[in-house]
Amino acid sequence: EVQLVQSGAEVKKPGESLKISCKGSGYSFTNYWIAWVRQMPGKGLEWMGIIYPGDSDTRYSPSFQGQVTISVDKSISTAFLQWGSLKASDTAMYYCARLGEVGSTWSPFHYWGLGSLVTVSS
Amino acid sequence: EIVLTQSPGTLSLSPGERATLSCRASQSVNSNYLAWYQQKPGQAPRLLIYGASSRATGIPDRFSGSGSGTDFTLTISRLEPEDSAVYYCQQYGNSPRTFGQGTKVEIK
Repeated sequence: EVQLVQSGAEVKKPGESLKISCKGSGYSFTNYWIAWVRQMPGKGLEWMGIIYPGDSDTRYSPSFQGQVTISVDKSISTAFLQWGSLKASDTAMYYCARLGEVGSTWSPFHYWGLGSLVTVSS
Repeated sequence: EIVLTQSPGTLSLSPGERATLSCRASQSVNSNYLAWYQQKPGQAPRLLIYGASSRATGIPDRFSGSGSGTDFTLTISRLEPEDSAVYYCQQYGNSPRTFGQGTKVEIK
C-alpha cells in the first residue's frame, strides 16, 4: 500500500526556519515525482513544486521559486519542504503528493499525505 | 500560466440529483491533461478523474469527466450525501501545474 507520512504540526515565530518532511513507503520511492501543495486557511490548492527522488531534479512554481526549498533524501525515502525565514503569510496546510506514472511529470497526484499544518505567529 | 476558472462557486442540490461542475482554462490544456479532485473538510484531496475522463481507482461510476481543449466538466450523476465536498480541477499538461479555485457542492 502506497503511503505518504508527513511530519506533525508546527508553530513558529516570524523569521524562524523550518523543514517539514514526507516519507514515502509501499512503492519504489526513487521512481516517482513528489509534489508539494499549499492550502492557506479557507482557501484553495496551490502547486508549489515537484522533485524526482532518483536524481533530485526539482521544478518550482514561479510563485514559490526562491521562497521555499524542496529537497529529498532517498536513503530514507523522504522528501522535504523548508523555509529559511518564515512569514505570517506562510501559515497554511502543506500537502505532499505522489505523481501517478513512473518517471513522468505529466501526471496527476494519485496519492496524498494527510498534510502538515504550519502556523507562523508572533 | 494557465488560469482555471471553475463554476459555479457553490452548488446546492438534493440527494439523487445530477451535479454538473465546469472548469474553463485560459488556454488549451495539453493532451487534455485535466484532473478533478474531491476534498472533504479536514481531509486531504482525493483524485477522482484524470486525463479529463478516466476514473481513478476505486471511484464510483456516478462520477464522470468530459471535455477537451479549454472546457471541461465533472458530472455526478446521482448525488449521495457523502458527495458533499469541494471539487477542484487541475491541469498537469503545462508548466506550472495549476488548480482551479474550487466548487463547493452542498447536499440539501
